[in-house]
Amino acid sequence: GAGVSQTPSNKVTEKGKYVELRCDPISGHTALYWYRQSLGQGPEFLIYFQGTGAADDSGLPNDRFFAVRPEGSVSTLKIQRTERGDSAVYLCASSPRAGGPTDTQYFGPGTRLTVL
Amino acid sequence: AQTVTQSQPEMSVQEAETVTLSCTYDTSESNYYLFWYKQPPSRQMILVIRQEAYKQQNATENRFSVNFQKAAKSFSLKISDSQLGDTAMYFCAFMKGGTIQGAQKLVFGQGTRLTINP
Repeated sequence: GAGVSQTPSNKVTEKGKYVELRCDPISGHTALYWYRQSLGQGPEFLIYFQGTGAADDSGLPNDRFFAVRPEGSVSTLKIQRTERGDSAVYLCASSPRAGGPTDTQYFGPGTRLTVL
Repeated sequence: AQTVTQSQPEMSVQEAETVTLSCTYDTSESNYYLFWYKQPPSRQMILVIRQEAYKQQNATENRFSVNFQKAAKSFSLKISDSQLGDTAMYFCAFMKGGTIQGAQKLVFGQGTRLTINP
């Protein structure tokens, strides 16, 4: 079956611009996660959705970052006034149930964001 | 806060050899899980193996096994009979147990780049 998909695969933007990154989770998965992976590092947690609501947004670095999941399926990560330090691969993952360590997270291929 | 440390940035072995990747972690939690994820060049993270901290028996999945030393906070991954398709970045990760806030997020190490040579 289809896995987690993310669009676009690559995004190049200029400093100060607004960007939206999209995640399509596996159909029927309740939980959705966003992580950010800087060059040469492991992924860092940004936000976790349980259904339509953000259950934990403690990883969002500042108020320029915002994410939504209005119908409990597709999610969009929005970054305002992009900075060069925002350049990274943004990974999305989904899991079947309520999240937690026994609920395997399935990752998408990520969106590579480059801010010039 | 939890931290995960992988001290080997890169490793390289010949096909069919056995290789061990190291991971240490720091936490004050008593209920937690540990994971190894593989990230091939396609960037898609794939779960390799999961270990529950309260289980003394080391987890195994086919050619992959772990050596979990709870007192030492060490969690190494052994790959037996390595194959060319095992070439990838490998990340060790931690997750709190239970359903409290923060229990759903993975905390990753910096990764080890593993190359299997023909």
